[in-house]
Amino acid sequence: EAGVTQSPTHLIKTRGQQVTLRCSPISGHTSVYWYQQALGLGLQFLLWYDEGEERNRGNFPPRFSGRQFPNYSSELNVNALELEDSALYLCASSLGQVGQETQYFGPGTRLLVL
Amino acid sequence: GNSVTQMEGPVTLSEEAFLTINCTYTATGYPSLFWYVQYPGEGLQLLLKATKADDKGSNKGFEATYRKETTSFHLEKGSVQVSDSAVYFCALKGSVRVNEKLTFGTGTRLTIIP
Repeated sequence: EAGVTQSPTHLIKTRGQQVTLRCSPISGHTSVYWYQQALGLGLQFLLWYDEGEERNRGNFPPRFSGRQFPNYSSELNVNALELEDSALYLCASSLGQVGQETQYFGPGTRLLVL
Repeated sequence: GNSVTQMEGPVTLSEEAFLTINCTYTATGYPSLFWYVQYPGEGLQLLLKATKADDKGSNKGFEATYRKETTSFHLEKGSVQVSDSAVYFCALKGSVRVNEKLTFGTGTRLTIIP
């Protein structure tokens, strides 16, 4: 069974640009989560989507947004990139059922903003 | 809110040494607890989990017991190998809602010397 996949693996952008990161969950999983792992800041929760709806949002500015498609894949969009957006962006998925909430992570997209 | 306090690293051990990485948490209700491992240049892999008090999670020789009385979930391994070198994250999922976000500790970098 395929795990969570993310694309691209690496990305280099300049300040002010926009970026879109993509995530495909494990087959059958309906919940998708996005986390940011910036150097020295640990893992921070960004967004949670379930059944196409945004369910929760971390403490990030509105220029971080996303969506979930009918096939449960997801995109994370970051507008007006800033240097401090340089980080590893991790996507995770889980089943949307009580007792089956373990989150499984993808390999991440490493974003460098110059 | 929920929080996880994790033993600060880095930790350096010789091969075959005993490993303990401390993790304590603060949460309301009955959270689920996880250990994730991150190998260099990769995403997070689930190492083990426990979903209720006194549960013991185990995998690949690693163990952790959910202790509600001490709000702890310490990771242990009896004999570490060079291949265990990685960053270990303790994480908590709250019990208020299904599929709540994960709250992570700061991570502990473990290096095993041959």
